[in-house]
Amino acid sequence: GAVVSQHPSWVICKSGTSVKIECRSLDFQATTMFWYRQFPKQSLMLMATSNEGSKATYEQGVEKDKFLINHASLTLSTLTVTSAHPEDSSFYICSAPLRRNTGELFFGEGSRLTVL
Amino acid sequence: GQQLNQSPQSMFIQEGEDVSMNCTSSSIFNTWLWYKQDPGEGPVLLIALYKAGELTSNGRLTAQFGITRKDSFLNISASIPSDVGIYFCAGHQLSILRDNYGQNFVFGPGTRLSVLP
Repeated sequence: GAVVSQHPSWVICKSGTSVKIECRSLDFQATTMFWYRQFPKQSLMLMATSNEGSKATYEQGVEKDKFLINHASLTLSTLTVTSAHPEDSSFYICSAPLRRNTGELFFGEGSRLTVL
Repeated sequence: GQQLNQSPQSMFIQEGEDVSMNCTSSSIFNTWLWYKQDPGEGPVLLIALYKAGELTSNGRLTAQFGITRKDSFLNISASIPSDVGIYFCAGHQLSILRDNYGQNFVFGPGTRLSVLP
């Protein structure tokens, strides 16, 4: 299968700081990547769709200014949690479809964010 | 929005037993996918199904795409301790009308599997 890698796998930061999470497709090009948030014992919640070379599409209720997404190349999307607060603590996971219309999504390892 | 229902929510089985879980929806999907997620990790794709009625195996795993395109099941034979985890089903719709591509993927709430030695 295709490989998607996230970095960092975990991060602890102070309240008010910004944190950047990277998502890379290692062996294929991804014009689209998805960012999910997962709360304990719950399913994946789509936050936004990252589009290479254009603006991200955010889901209802997700603050664009809080969660900045940049998709500058065909293999890299970044999620920046700005001015993080404890309620932003969560497990963030990115994914990318191998081919647009086949439905096969491949996920990164996830990034655990803890805001003190 | 669209929802997938997974059952059971959780299950405890003895090592060596077979496991069956299923996923249902009121909507039709073009692709059904099954993922396994270990604690602190991202979901890993187990099986992808593309055609109604399709039955696909991956080692001890077998999954089927329901004839109505509204359901799918996953079976695990002869369970082992490393089968422990959360199993998610996901449906994908091919919709050229939808602006937000990400919404074409819908995830179930997951089935939490525990395997007792």
